[in-house]
Formats: sequence, structure tokens, C-alpha cells
Amino acid sequence: DGGITQSPKYLFRKEGQNVTLSCEQNLNHDAMYWYRQDPGQGLRLIYYSQIVNDFQKGDIAEGYSVSREKKESFPLTVTSAQKNPTAFYLCASSIERVNTGELFFGEGSRLTVL
Amino acid sequence: AQSVTQLGSHVSVSEGALVLLRCNYSSSVPPYLFWYVQYPNQGLQLLLKYTSAATLVKGINGFEAEFKKSETSFHLTKPSAHMSDAAEYFCAVSDQAGTALIFGKGTTLSVSS
Repeated sequence: DGGITQSPKYLFRKEGQNVTLSCEQNLNHDAMYWYRQDPGQGLRLIYYSQIVNDFQKGDIAEGYSVSREKKESFPLTVTSAQKNPTAFYLCASSIERVNTGELFFGEGSRLTVL
Repeated sequence: AQSVTQLGSHVSVSEGALVLLRCNYSSSVPPYLFWYVQYPNQGLQLLLKYTSAATLVKGINGFEAEFKKSETSFHLTKPSAHMSDAAEYFCAVSDQAGTALIFGKGTTLSVSS
């Protein structure tokens, strides 16, 4: 079945460590997104990419990095510079520009910093 | 800048009662508006979307929403709540460039028997 796969589902990290969250899609979608979700805060955009080898910062990009070397993959690295990384991270994709369709979401990755 | 405000972080209804979840938007251009649902520890699923075709939009699971430009609102309704409707609901608007969605803070719906 087509969809978005995020891994790992749960991840624990010590302070000062970088971690990478995986996001793979087989929907042949051009655009991919990373959102961060905190209780009572809704979803906030970290990074997005509309085409391979190009990506743009969202509202809360500080302390995060991404790459888009392949159309189907958009990994997110949470660096040690991110002050409060404990959160639920959601990856999404869309066919093209989001206002012509919908965002398809993965199941999320929950990161906990110990 | 575009934004959405969801009124009420938590709504409780009885099974069979009307569900009303409120969303107001701010946009300097005609918006595209969406409602998503999220079950615990899962991703979001699209309920319905407004893209300027019809002001009353019907979605999945019996939900619908009405776009009211004069009130800058896009409230979500369902005539009769089911226990399975208990979840978190998010209203979203497309940004001016149409490149990403801007989400509200969410409303948790509880349904009691």
C-alpha cells in the first residue's frame, strides 16, 4: 500500500546527541514536510521541500536540519542545538502545492530527551 | 500572515448529541481551509477541505463544515456524535504562497455514553 513511513516510532536521546528521524514515501509526491507537535500547541512547521535537492525553513527550523537527496526520502536531524527537542514529530507529503490537495501524514515519531 | 484560531481546547458531548467545533481564520487572500482528525499516537487524517467551490463542505464520517466569509469562520459539525469520534481535531489554512499548512492548536473531543 502507498503511504508514508516514519521510523523509529519511539526514540530516546541523551542531551548533546544528534538524532535522525527517517521519513519515506511511496506516493510519488513532490512536496514533503516536517511538523513538530507539542501538547496544546498544535503543529508547527520545521522544514519543507517542494523538489529534490531543495528545501525551505519553516517557522521553527533552529536546531534542525534536513536533506532531500531522493524524491521519496526526507530525513530530519535533531541537533544538540535544539533546546527542547522532546516532542512528537510528524512527516507529511503532498502531490504538489498544498492548496490543491491534502497533506498525507505518517504515524509520527516520538522523541524523548533523557 | 494567515492564521487559524480554534475556540475551545476541549469539547465534551454525549453520544448522539450535536458536535460543533469552532474555527476562525485570518487571511488577506481567499483561503483554502482544512479540518484534520488525529487519534492518539497517530498521524493526521483529512476530514474535509474547502477550496472555494461550495461553501458547505461534506467530509468523511458524517462531518461537514460551512465556510462563512462574513464571519471568517469554518466550523466543523456532526449531527450525532459517536464514541468513535473521540479524538483531537485540527483546523488548518494554507499559507499565502500555498506551500504549507498553518494549523490551529487543536480541540480535543470527548464523547460520553
